[in-house]
Amino acid sequence: DTAVSQTPKYLVTQMGNDKSIKCEQNLGHDTMYWYKQDSKKFLKIMFSYNNKELIINETVPNRFSPKSPDKAHLNLHINSLELGDSAVYFCASSQEGVAGGSDTQYFGPGTRLTVL
Amino acid sequence: DAKTTQPNSMESNEEEPVHLPCNHSTISGTDYIHWYRQLPSQGPEYVIHGLTSNVNNRMASLAIAEDRKSSTLILHRATLRDAAVYYCILRDERGSTLGRLYFGRGTQLTVWP
Repeated sequence: DTAVSQTPKYLVTQMGNDKSIKCEQNLGHDTMYWYKQDSKKFLKIMFSYNNKELIINETVPNRFSPKSPDKAHLNLHINSLELGDSAVYFCASSQEGVAGGSDTQYFGPGTRLTVL
Repeated sequence: DAKTTQPNSMESNEEEPVHLPCNHSTISGTDYIHWYRQLPSQGPEYVIHGLTSNVNNRMASLAIAEDRKSSTLILHRATLRDAAVYYCILRDERGSTLGRLYFGRGTQLTVWP
């Protein structure tokens, strides 16, 4: 009964390809996120969706397009993959209530993307 | 985004207490102090958070300075499983930054048997 799951765990692909990473949470949360952790281990937020609506887009290239079919899922589609997209991508979820500053985020296990 | 400063690395022996410091001199009145940790090859994991008062949970304790410009995460008895990168993060509950977690470099904790 994994709380936040991602598929695939590993993804190796060629430059220029299009790929998707899927994320599902079974915690009943209303907000989901994508983070990117680069080779230097720096973890940075990319997107946030609340009730299927985009609320944060941290200046991510438009080759990255998140899609939220429902509150439990947030997928990340990446077009025209570049070498610099190689990283570990983490999905997370939280329940953003009245006390937004105190809400905690639950992270998935990560998807390691390698672009050759 | 408000900044935090942590030591790059710390070491501890197993079963000894560990005090992980964090400076956040520009903290605002609405910033919560969150701590997350990342075990090797895993996603970040919530540890504890607080606003003004010290906090305890089953994982750790959080001691917050009276002026809130610094805080300390306390692991009462370090185990090998506590070896991880520990992140101190300020989280603002106000509108435009709602939901954002800005991770710094964190502190790499090494626990020796």
